[in-house]
Amino acid sequence: QKEVEQDPGPLSVPEGAIVSLNCTYSNSAFQYFMWYRQYSRKGPELLMYTYSSGNKEDGRFTAQVDKSSKYISLFIRDSQPSDSATYLCAKNFGNEKLTFGTGTRLTIIP
Amino acid sequence: NAGVTQTPKFRILKIGQSMTLQCAQDMNHNYMYWYRQDPGMGLKLIYYSVGAGITDKGEVPNGYNVSRSTTEYFPLRLELAAPSQTSVYFCASSQDSSYNEQFFGPGTRLTVL
Repeated sequence: QKEVEQDPGPLSVPEGAIVSLNCTYSNSAFQYFMWYRQYSRKGPELLMYTYSSGNKEDGRFTAQVDKSSKYISLFIRDSQPSDSATYLCAKNFGNEKLTFGTGTRLTIIP
Repeated sequence: NAGVTQTPKFRILKIGQSMTLQCAQDMNHNYMYWYRQDPGMGLKLIYYSVGAGITDKGEVPNGYNVSRSTTEYFPLRLELAAPSQTSVYFCASSQDSSYNEQFFGPGTRLTVL
């Protein structure tokens, strides 16, 4: 079983819709969770990170962690065409390395 | 600050050739990383470094070598290039190992024919 699993998509939604992106993880040790956004032909950039269970909001983005079910989610409200990108979840297992999911490619249709 | 820079942007190699992918960061970060990204496969860690003179293998180190003589530079060496090394290579750096925000370069697209 992979340490971090993510549905690769692709996912297409109309502009203004709420987007839900999801990952599951298998190892419960030391739990920082991150979401990176990667535009086409660019390097990934950190979008949000969270340590605890529950929700963390930043503008139109909400990161949610459910440690009991080992499930992490990213919600995007009022989605915009500029949100079209690949979203990668990542987990820090308490050392200097991150484990990334495979990424979900998202397209927002105007 | 330029952040993390990578050269070249693109490169085509013939099977058996060698090359060095360059990576530099101007943020004085201790930690540096090399990843490869293949379609639908996410980011795979090749090598990483926690400081000058210290390197360690990641998930997919075979066919690659690294060195880190200074804080700023972390070159990745490909010896005897193979078609399986066709990929996009990203260099990244970070300051700490807690939540470990990694800053990525723009990538090098490598094709081995």
